[in-house]
Amino acid sequence: KAGVTQTPRYLIKTRGQQVTLSCSPISGHRSVSWYQQTPGQGLQFLFEYFSETQRNKGNFPGRFSGRQFSNSRSEMNVSTLELGDSALYLCASSLRAGANYGYTFGSGTRLTVV
Amino acid sequence: DAKTTQPTSMDCAEGRAANLPCNHSTISGNEYVYWYRQIHSQGPQYIIHGLKNNETNEMASLIITEDRKSSTLILPHATLRDTAVYYCIVEGSSNTGKLIFGQGTTLQVKP
Repeated sequence: KAGVTQTPRYLIKTRGQQVTLSCSPISGHRSVSWYQQTPGQGLQFLFEYFSETQRNKGNFPGRFSGRQFSNSRSEMNVSTLELGDSALYLCASSLRAGANYGYTFGSGTRLTVV
Repeated sequence: DAKTTQPTSMDCAEGRAANLPCNHSTISGNEYVYWYRQIHSQGPQYIIHGLKNNETNEMASLIITEDRKSSTLILPHATLRDTAVYYCIVEGSSNTGKLIFGQGTTLQVKP
């Protein structure tokens, strides 16, 4: 079966711009989580969506937002980009969040802010 | 904060077993232990998980101590392709998608 698909794979944006990243989960998976990975902070949780509802949010500023569609596909948006937003953004999908379901990660979107 | 403690790095000879330890002394009764690994610039890959019993799959074995305060991931015959960062994570049944990643263990498999 197809894995978790993230688009685009690479992105270069200018400071102050906004960006939208997309994640298509594994068919049948209803939970989608987003993570930011940087060399300094490692992997940090952004937010999780299940059935179009955000159920959990990490400690990130309001410039980071997301949504989930009825087909479980998810997007995350970062407005007013800062240089520090340069990172690998990963999404993960699961049948449903919680123990014993496991998460499958996509290959990520590498965002560079210049 | 991460609920687990792992060594920063380990080496292993190719073909030998790699034993990666993890301490999770504050684990509660309904929390599972998960192991993921991340090969450079790729998304983390699920390896194995368990609650209290030892588990084995085609990739690895997971040994959980009886008091559940620590566990060991065993790669029985490490290959160069097993070189990666290995993350040990605990997650409860009520968790809503939030995995707390620590710094993990960088495993270097050497020829």
